[in-house]
Amino acid sequence: AQKITQTQPGMFVQEKEAVTLDCTYDTSDQSYGLFWYKQPSSGEMIFLIYQGSYDEQNATEGRYSLNFQKARKSANLVISASQLGDSAMYFCAMREGWNQGGKLIFGQGTELSVKP
Amino acid sequence: EADIYQTPRYLVIGTGKKITLECSQTMGHDKMYWYQQDPGMELHLIHYSYGVNSTEKGDLSSESTVSRIRTEHFPLTLESARPSHTSQYLCASSDAGDIGNTIYFGEGSWLTVV
Repeated sequence: AQKITQTQPGMFVQEKEAVTLDCTYDTSDQSYGLFWYKQPSSGEMIFLIYQGSYDEQNATEGRYSLNFQKARKSANLVISASQLGDSAMYFCAMREGWNQGGKLIFGQGTELSVKP
Repeated sequence: EADIYQTPRYLVIGTGKKITLECSQTMGHDKMYWYQQDPGMELHLIHYSYGVNSTEKGDLSSESTVSRIRTEHFPLTLESARPSHTSQYLCASSDAGDIGNTIYFGEGSWLTVV
């Protein structure tokens, strides 16, 4: 069964500094996708970045990049130049192929606090 | 901008009441999902659907039921609410075809059962 693990319940970062949020996953499928979502205190889920298992380049979206290490089964999120508005819960998620249901399974989340 | 809507956003009801949480999307997505999330905790998949008349239970057992009579509509029903059902319920949808297709979430429905 697939599994996502986020080992950092909470993280602090100084404004304008970079921060890495850890995510490891476990799957026996060859085709899968990895996602990161941001959840502010309002509760909505905001899509940040996606990495496919066959993508050779690490995904980047503005200040977000995904450090994908397939052999280690890790998909860490890097946020550069942190802003106060980055304070939120961050969830790593994995989606297996359609023959596995295409379901999105989430990790436990990391609460990021950005200090001024 | 995601076109997926949930109502009500907030609901406080008494034990034993029947409730339906509505979820609608205007993107024509085949796949729809319901997640349950306690504050500050991970999201648990409780129901999903591949299309009209297709529904499956998710990884977390739930006393709720769902239906998918129309592509755009995926309501969740609790026949008899209990305090243990107090939680946030998030509806999501995505297009089929590509595993990387973005999964869009609604704003969530916060349910409190007293």
